[in-house]
Amino acid sequence: DIVMTQSPDSLAVSLGERATINCKSSQSVLHSSNNKNYLAWYQRKPGQPSKLLIYWASTRESGVPDRFSGSGSGTDFTLTISSLQAEDVALYYCQQYYSIPLTFGGGTKVEIK
Amino acid sequence: QVQLQESGPGLVKPSETLSLTCTVSGGSITSYFWSWIRQPPGKRLEWIGHIYYSGTTNYNPSLKSRVTISADTSKNQFSLKLTSVTAADTAVYYCARLFSSGWPPSYYFDYWGQGILVAVSS
Repeated sequence: DIVMTQSPDSLAVSLGERATINCKSSQSVLHSSNNKNYLAWYQRKPGQPSKLLIYWASTRESGVPDRFSGSGSGTDFTLTISSLQAEDVALYYCQQYYSIPLTFGGGTKVEIK
Repeated sequence: QVQLQESGPGLVKPSETLSLTCTVSGGSITSYFWSWIRQPPGKRLEWIGHIYYSGTTNYNPSLKSRVTISADTSKNQFSLKLTSVTAADTAVYYCARLFSSGWPPSYYFDYWGQGILVAVSS
């Protein structure tokens, strides 16, 4: 199984400041056949369903604000919130879909400082 | 807007079968993959398995011997059965739509339910 390791477990960022979340996979999730990274990012707020933010490591889902961006390739990935808003307080987690079983990171809790 | 809602008992006795249903509204279950995921307390999300609306399934090898996922297109629902449960199966169970495209196929989740807590206890 591919193990996904996220860091940090939690972070507190001032409103308007940048938040950076890291996700590392135990093996590459870059498919050589199509040069795509099989990685997604999600947001979960209390009492709400999880929301898909990013897929293919860097493609924003429709309707996701452009302050959210994904980057990285191979085994190291980053989700960046460029200017943290109050509504961005949530749990964020990554998921690899390179191989079965699909696996998730442990999650990063983002709060306001 | 596609919405998913999990339903089923919140308490199951050890050694019995956990049964959950996910009702999909705002769209048809046909032409998509549908999945179950769970999160035990204090642990990370665990993919249980998924089903294509036509019936093809794929399960997590760690649970394969105890899991059955089925779909009912007439009711726009899909279901999870997990047999011989123990306390380790206590978790929040989520249903989700799996978006699959291309080759090698993508398998990410574009719609989720809110989750249902199922406790295994006598």
